[in-house]
Amino acid sequence: KAGVTQTPRYLIKTRGQQVTLSCSPISGHRSVSWYQQTPGQGLQFLFEYFSETQRNKGNFPGRFSGRQFSNSRSEMNVSTLELGDSALYLCASSLALGTNTGELFFGEGSRLTVL
Amino acid sequence: DAKTTQPTSMDCAEGRAANLPCNHSTISGNEYVYWYRQIHSQGPQYIIHGLKNNETNEMASLIITEDRKSSTLILPHATLRDTAVYYCIVRPNTNAGKSTFGDGTTLTVKP
Repeated sequence: KAGVTQTPRYLIKTRGQQVTLSCSPISGHRSVSWYQQTPGQGLQFLFEYFSETQRNKGNFPGRFSGRQFSNSRSEMNVSTLELGDSALYLCASSLALGTNTGELFFGEGSRLTVL
Repeated sequence: DAKTTQPTSMDCAEGRAANLPCNHSTISGNEYVYWYRQIHSQGPQYIIHGLKNNETNEMASLIITEDRKSSTLILPHATLRDTAVYYCIVRPNTNAGKSTFGDGTTLTVKP
């Protein structure tokens, strides 16, 4: 069974640009969450999607957005990039909301560097 | 989600048991204890979770105190590959996606 796949793995952008990251969850998983990890702030929750709807949102500015498609694949977008957006962006999938599993399965992440 | 407290770092000798503590004194009745670990530059990996009974799987054992205010993750025979940051999370078993990760414990297994 394939794991969570994130693309691209590495990318470099400049300030003011925008970026789109992609995540393919484990087959059968319907919930996809995104996290940002930086040395100073640790792992921080961005948002969660289930059945193409955003179910939860963390404390990030509106420049951070996401969506989920009918096949459960998800994308996140960051517009008007700032230096502080340099981070490892992690995607995690889980079976579904309301099930007695609760485990998150993470991808390897997309490492974004903003110059 | 309830707040957790973990030591910043711990060392363990290779082949010995690693015991990682977690304090969650404000845990609610419907909240589970989850453990994840993150090896450098990789995504976090699920290890184990439990509600009130002790749990064991192929990776580790989880011991939860009777009052549920603290727990211990046990890696029975630590290897160098177990060197990682270990996160203890407390939350309901639903709504998995929105988890609050603290700073975790950096476990260093030494030869």
